[in-house]
Amino acid sequence: GDSVTQMEGPVTLSEEAFLTINCTYTATGYPSLFWYVQYPGEGLQLLLKATKADDKGSNKGFEATYRKETTSFHLEKGSVQVSDSAVYFCALKNTGTASKLTFGTGTRLQVTL
Amino acid sequence: DAGVIQSPRHEVTEMGQEVTLRCKPISGHDYLFWYRQTMMRGLELLIYFNNNVPIDDSGMPEDRFSAKMPNASFSTLKIQPSEPRDSAVYFCASSPGLAGSTDTQYFGPGTRLTVL
Repeated sequence: GDSVTQMEGPVTLSEEAFLTINCTYTATGYPSLFWYVQYPGEGLQLLLKATKADDKGSNKGFEATYRKETTSFHLEKGSVQVSDSAVYFCALKNTGTASKLTFGTGTRLQVTL
Repeated sequence: DAGVIQSPRHEVTEMGQEVTLRCKPISGHDYLFWYRQTMMRGLELLIYFNNNVPIDDSGMPEDRFSAKMPNASFSTLKIQPSEPRDSAVYFCASSPGLAGSTDTQYFGPGTRLTVL
């Protein structure tokens, strides 16, 4: 079945540091890939998405590129801020599964001054 | 748009009591999802509906859990009787379906349930 594997957290960075959160997936077919973010006390929000191989999703300075050859969708940001502290979830939606998403376990990011 | 609305935001109850969580999806969305989030198990999909019809309830943990969607603008998740291990944050999410992007789910703020 479909699955998503994320790097273990928590990830602790100083403000302005470079961020990478690794995500790999297993799926048949041609899934769409997503990053969701959950700020403390809130629900998940879509951060970015990519629907086919080599697409790059971007939003709020975050980027991720859909790499079919390595089945990866790593999240990156060049310079993190304290306000980026949150839990980040990688997810996929496979073709033929309607809107059902398969989520990773989440990676907590803590950014300090 | 008001977004997905959930109530109550917090619920504290005693073991054995019935608990009802409520969700109002975004107007026009065809899909509605119920998730449970705990530290131990992460985010789990419990059940989802398409056009008010349950499509996949394989994530519902046991018969104590039930979900209904009597119309396009309202859904409930009921736990009867509740147990301490049901303590979690329960999220409702909706998605546009075929009329729009089927990819994006919009989450509500969640209901934090504590069963004593």
